Amino acid sequence: DARVTQTPRHKVTEMGQEVTMRCQPILGHNTVFWYRQTMMQGLELLAYFRNRAPLDDSGMPKDRFSAEMPDATLATLKIQPSEPRDSAVYFCASGLVITSGIYEQYFGPGTRLTVT
Amino acid sequence: SQQGEEDPQALSIQEGENATMNCSYKTSINNLQWYRQNSGRGLVHLILIRSNEREKHSGRLRVTLDTSKKSSSLLITASRAADTASYFCATDRSGTGRRALTFGSGTRLQVQP
Repeated sequence: DARVTQTPRHKVTEMGQEVTMRCQPILGHNTVFWYRQTMMQGLELLAYFRNRAPLDDSGMPKDRFSAEMPDATLATLKIQPSEPRDSAVYFCASGLVITSGIYEQYFGPGTRLTVT
Repeated sequence: SQQGEEDPQALSIQEGENATMNCSYKTSINNLQWYRQNSGRGLVHLILIRSNEREKHSGRLRVTLDTSKKSSSLLITASRAADTASYFCATDRSGTGRRALTFGSGTRLQVQP
């Protein structure tokens, strides 16, 4: 039963600290997405990769956020320095091309980040 | 801005009743998808309807799409307590080359046993 995995599931950190979240996409999926979910903003797309290349990171605050995909089995989202407003649940999703660009996305369980 | 907007924001029904959720969007789309999210969990894909389709069924789910009105509806028939969750529509916008879904704000469904 293939699943997207994310670590850690929960992270509490102090303002100013670096936070790294990791995601293992489903083997064979060629697109990986990072989302942030809050009560106020809902689900926001931060960045996505196809074949490990960043395609769109316009939703991500560039001064403190960075997303990478060092290999096909690992995607990372880093926040440095973290701020209380970054508190949210961060989801990774991997994409399956169904028909010429139409994606069904498989979501991981999320990382609940609290920055105090 | 939100591409998909669901209504109602919250819906409470009794087990056995049908639940209908609506989604409106602003731009042309290639397809529209519905997802479900249980509390504290990730989203799970339910059903996809292409822009040239008008209706699709999957088990107790029925989705309609009206591209002239830029709207879609999700009907869950004979609801169960286990259907309690948030439901999101997501659109794959056409012509942008941006192969990513845009999610709405969701409908919270509560099914009372």
